[in-house]
Amino acid sequence: EVQVVESGGGLVKPGGSLRLSCAASGFTFSSYGYNWVRQAPGKGLEWVSYISSSSAYIYYADSLKGRFTISRDDAEKSLFLHVNSLRADDTAVYYCVRALGECSGGNCPLDAFDIWGQGTMVTISS
Amino acid sequence: SYVLTQSPSVSVAPGQTATISCGGNNIGSYSVHWYQQKPGQAPVLVVFDDNDRPSGIPERFSGSNSGTTATLTINRVEAGDEADYFCQVWDSYTSDQYVFGPGTKVTVL
Repeated sequence: EVQVVESGGGLVKPGGSLRLSCAASGFTFSSYGYNWVRQAPGKGLEWVSYISSSSAYIYYADSLKGRFTISRDDAEKSLFLHVNSLRADDTAVYYCVRALGECSGGNCPLDAFDIWGQGTMVTISS
Repeated sequence: SYVLTQSPSVSVAPGQTATISCGGNNIGSYSVHWYQQKPGQAPVLVVFDDNDRPSGIPERFSGSNSGTTATLTINRVEAGDEADYFCQVWDSYTSDQYVFGPGTKVTVL
């Protein structure tokens, strides 16, 4: 089965940091680009970051630059998101999402998001 | 940065057609994707690249995009179509960002 599964969420104090992980299975992890998307309680979807194959291209939402770092480990078939200086408004479900379409020669289509994990809840509170 | 707009809600009777709009400056020049999200669940891609459907998505779901409005159309609406629907684009013109619309709640009467 093609799937991605997030982990690493939980309750964190303001100012703290955390690392979210995403484990992929059922497909060739290294052939795709990936994203993190978050959703605050009762709110809409907010794109966080994208990483292409071989980490050749990395993009972040303008509003989040500086505190978020996306990375990948193709040998471990895993995607990561490291977040620093956490604030209350970072409270959200964080989704790991595969980008539609296989990469070729390091070039990945910046297309739709076809495989979503179930999300991991991050709560920032003292 | 690029901004997408959506009506907050749409109500439709079973068997009728639901039309969900996504507005943006010259959105016809972008590839628009649509996601369905039911309560407590992760989003599901229902239309990509304006009017393509992933495998497993019923033909009742279709999309169009021109000018300043992209549209997701759900024909012969069923109770199971009740959900939030989000449009999305990749903005390479101004900021190299993915952008989501605020979402439209579809209620089946």
